Amino acid sequence: AQTVTQSQPEMSVQEAETVTLSCTYDTSESDYYLFWYKQPPSRQMILVIRQEAYKQQNATENRFSVNFQKAAKSFSLKISDSQLGDAAMYFCAQKTSYDKVIFGPGTSLSVIP
Amino acid sequence: DTGVSQDPRHKITKRGQNVTFRCDPISEHNRLYWYRQTLGQGPEFLTYFQNEAQLEKSRLLSDRFSAERPKGSFSTLEIQRTEQGDSAMYLCASSPQGVGAPQHFGDGTRLSIL
Repeated sequence: AQTVTQSQPEMSVQEAETVTLSCTYDTSESDYYLFWYKQPPSRQMILVIRQEAYKQQNATENRFSVNFQKAAKSFSLKISDSQLGDAAMYFCAQKTSYDKVIFGPGTSLSVIP
Repeated sequence: DTGVSQDPRHKITKRGQNVTFRCDPISEHNRLYWYRQTLGQGPEFLTYFQNEAQLEKSRLLSDRFSAERPKGSFSTLEIQRTEQGDSAMYLCASSPQGVGAPQHFGDGTRLSIL
């Protein structure tokens, strides 16, 4: 069965600093994608970054990057130069070839001015 | 606005009543998903469609829940004989076909059971 675990319910970071959010997952599939989604308070969930399991190179999107460790089934998100607008719930998610998406419980990120 | 739209945004009802929510996906997306999200938790998968076919329904979902996508476009989620535990945000998402295709989410429908 697919599971996604986020062991940090809450995190905080000083503005302009770097923070890393952790995610581990479990699957028996060989072909899958991993995603990080951001959900600001009372706002729509949006995609931050995605990673294909077959690609060894870690995905990067501007200030957001991932550390994908396939053998360890780990998929952490690094946010560099944190901004006030980064404050949100962050969800790690896994999608397999069956197209079912499983989300983790989320990490609430606070950005301190 | 060509994003995913959900209606209504909020629904307040008495326990035991039936409720129906609507989701209009992005027009070119053939995959449509329903999730339930409670406060401080991640979205919990309920069901999903490819075009008009319902491909999977969560085993956690009771028989009081039913979803349809009759013409492969909009979808409805109905909850019969609502219970207190049904209070949650109901999210709809759509995506093109393909494992790597990300989901686009609507704003959700918040259900409150009195």
